[in-house]
Amino acid sequence: QVHLQESGPGVVKPSETLSLTCVVSGASNRNNYWSWIRQPPGKEPEWIGYVYNSGVINYSPSLRGRVTISTDASQTQFSLKLTSVTAADTAVYYCATSRNPRSGLDVWGQGITVAVSS
Amino acid sequence: DAVVTQSPLSLPVTLGQPASISCRSSQSLVWTDGSTYLNWFHQRPGQSPRRLIYKVSNRDSGVPDRFSGSGSGTDFTLTISRVEAEDVGIYYCMQGTPWPWTFGQGTKVEIK
Repeated sequence: QVHLQESGPGVVKPSETLSLTCVVSGASNRNNYWSWIRQPPGKEPEWIGYVYNSGVINYSPSLRGRVTISTDASQTQFSLKLTSVTAADTAVYYCATSRNPRSGLDVWGQGITVAVSS
Repeated sequence: DAVVTQSPLSLPVTLGQPASISCRSSQSLVWTDGSTYLNWFHQRPGQSPRRLIYKVSNRDSGVPDRFSGSGSGTDFTLTISRVEAEDVGIYYCMQGTPWPWTFGQGTKVEIK
């Protein structure tokens, strides 16, 4: 069973870069899609993007230009970078995975709360 | 983007009674592979979402059979045949057809 754990700072200053890492443990599969999802306070989850097989990457159009998702070759961790953050980027950030993300995500991390504040 | 709209947004229910949540999409969720990618999640306060149903009507492992999903095209329903206390929380539908994949606004289920 795959286990995911997010890590990173809990507070980021406006205009700076948010950087998070997701560590993958347990059985994994190179055919998995590795995704980042965020959930602003009191709102529904929002898909940020995903990486597949270290090469196929897709980002939400609303964040394209500010977001980078990458994974290491061994797929033991993947990361999220979001530049020029504002208060609107305050959210719980989740890493998650599945073999077919169109069918939703069947393994989620516990989430990490990130506040954008000076 | 495909917009998915849930109703109701709040659903007070009586223990042991049925409950239904509707999810409507602004466009058909049938993908080029013939599958319909409409999924349902449940989220308790302070927890990550948990998938209950995928591709309209397929229950995940460990999900009680009182949960069922139905629908086609643009109209979908999640039904709980007999609500139990552990079913409280927020339910989200999620479409996985056109990118970006999107979630509905959520339906908060609480016990009367």
